[in-house]
Amino acid sequence: GQQVMQIPQYQHVQEGEDFTTYCNSSTTLSNIQWYKQRPGGHPVFLIQLVKSGEVKKQKRLTFQFGEAKKNSSLHITATQTTDVGTYFCAGPGYALNFGKGTSLLVTP
Amino acid sequence: SAVISQKPSRDICQRGTSLTIQCQVDSQVTMMFWYRQQPGQSLTLIATANQGSEATYESGFVIDKFPISRPNLTFSTLTVSNMSPEDSSIYLCSVGTHGGQDEQYFGPGTRLTVT
Repeated sequence: GQQVMQIPQYQHVQEGEDFTTYCNSSTTLSNIQWYKQRPGGHPVFLIQLVKSGEVKKQKRLTFQFGEAKKNSSLHITATQTTDVGTYFCAGPGYALNFGKGTSLLVTP
Repeated sequence: SAVISQKPSRDICQRGTSLTIQCQVDSQVTMMFWYRQQPGQSLTLIATANQGSEATYESGFVIDKFPISRPNLTFSTLTVSNMSPEDSSIYLCSVGTHGGQDEQYFGPGTRLTVT
């Protein structure tokens, strides 16, 4: 499978601040997926990016796939307490190859 | 999307015993996977449950320790055998249609504590 590295490991923001997590691979990825896991919950699929340079938006969330298809980012604008959780990127493989995740804590 | 249920949701077991976790999907699916997630960690794939054949295990996981059944396209079980405290973890099943090429849907997980 295609391994992915994710940074930062943790991020603590004040409500209303922006947040970004980055995912990097040493090899070209055919696609990348993003998942969110709330505390005590299970991973929930957010989005899949396939095309070079692709940008997709879901309300306050913006997902980007790099031109070389080796990196991706998730940006949240004006965080809310409901954004709390761990965000995982996952590279393709026979199953999925999950990054270590970025845990987001939002303080009201 | 698929709706996935797991039983039990949690259990506390004594070392040396075994626990079988069930995963039920509301529709027929090709790919079923079993993951382990230790507290505060990412997900590690244990094995792929193949219908009609033996499971495919990832490096570091063996059939004697984690036997898997997949009797049909909607159901699978994972057994954690001869448990030790190091097996304390959350075990998640997931389903997908094209392996790593398509989104996966996860069950709610089974939280296992071994004492």
